[in-house]
Amino acid sequence: DTAVSQTPKYLVTQMGNDKSIKCEQNLGHDTMYWYKQDSKKFLKIMFSYNNKELIINETVPNRFSPKSPDKAHLNLHINSLELGDSAVYFCASSPPGLFYEQYFGPGTRLTVT
Amino acid sequence: AQSVAQPEDQVNVAEGNPLTVKCTYSVSGNPYLFWYVQYPNRGLQFLLKYITGDNLVKGSYGFEAEFNKSQTSFHLKKPSALVSDSALYFCAVLSGNTPLVFGKGTRLSVIA
Repeated sequence: DTAVSQTPKYLVTQMGNDKSIKCEQNLGHDTMYWYKQDSKKFLKIMFSYNNKELIINETVPNRFSPKSPDKAHLNLHINSLELGDSAVYFCASSPPGLFYEQYFGPGTRLTVT
Repeated sequence: AQSVAQPEDQVNVAEGNPLTVKCTYSVSGNPYLFWYVQYPNRGLQFLLKYITGDNLVKGSYGFEAEFNKSQTSFHLKKPSALVSDSALYFCAVLSGNTPLVFGKGTRLSVIA
C-alpha cells in the first residue's frame, strides 16, 4: 500500500483556472506538509498542518489554500493559476515533533499554459 | 535564519569508488540534520538523520554521514558506489521551531 499518495500525478491547465491536488497518508501521522519544487529542483515548504491545524504558512500567495478535512488528508487548492505556479508539488507526512523524518508522496507535476 | 549549502551541483564517481556529497549548514541553535534522496520522477526518500549523540550516523543503502560541529558540516558518504545510487541528493536542516530547510540538491552520477 502506498504510504503517501497524491492525485493527480499530472495536471495541465490554463492560466486563470482553479485546481486542487489531493493528498492522503495511511501512516497514522499527525503532521502533513506541502512543498513546491521548481524547475531547478529547489524544494521549499509551503504549509504544514498538525492534526488538522495549520502550524506553518510560509510566504505563499493567498491564492493557495490548504484544507485538511481529517488528519489523514491535506488537499491544496489553487485559485487563478499563473504561469509561475508551474512546478512539482509534493505532499509529505511525519509523526509530530522535530526529530522525525518526513515521508513524501510521488508528486504532482502542475503545468500552467 | 537557517540555511543549507550543497556546494556541488554534480558529483561524478566511478562504480566501486567511495563517494562524498558535501553539505554545510548555518543555524542559530542546535542543528537537526537530514539527508534525502530523490530518484527521477519520484518523491524524496529519507536516508539518515543526525539528532544527537554519535557524530557518525549510518543510514539506508549503506550510506553514512558525519556530523562535524566545528566545520558545520554533514557530508554524506558511501564506501563503494553503485550505479543505482545515481540520483539527486538533498541535505536539510532544522533548528528550534523552524521548518525544514533543504539545500539545492546535488546530482550524483555513478559511472559503470
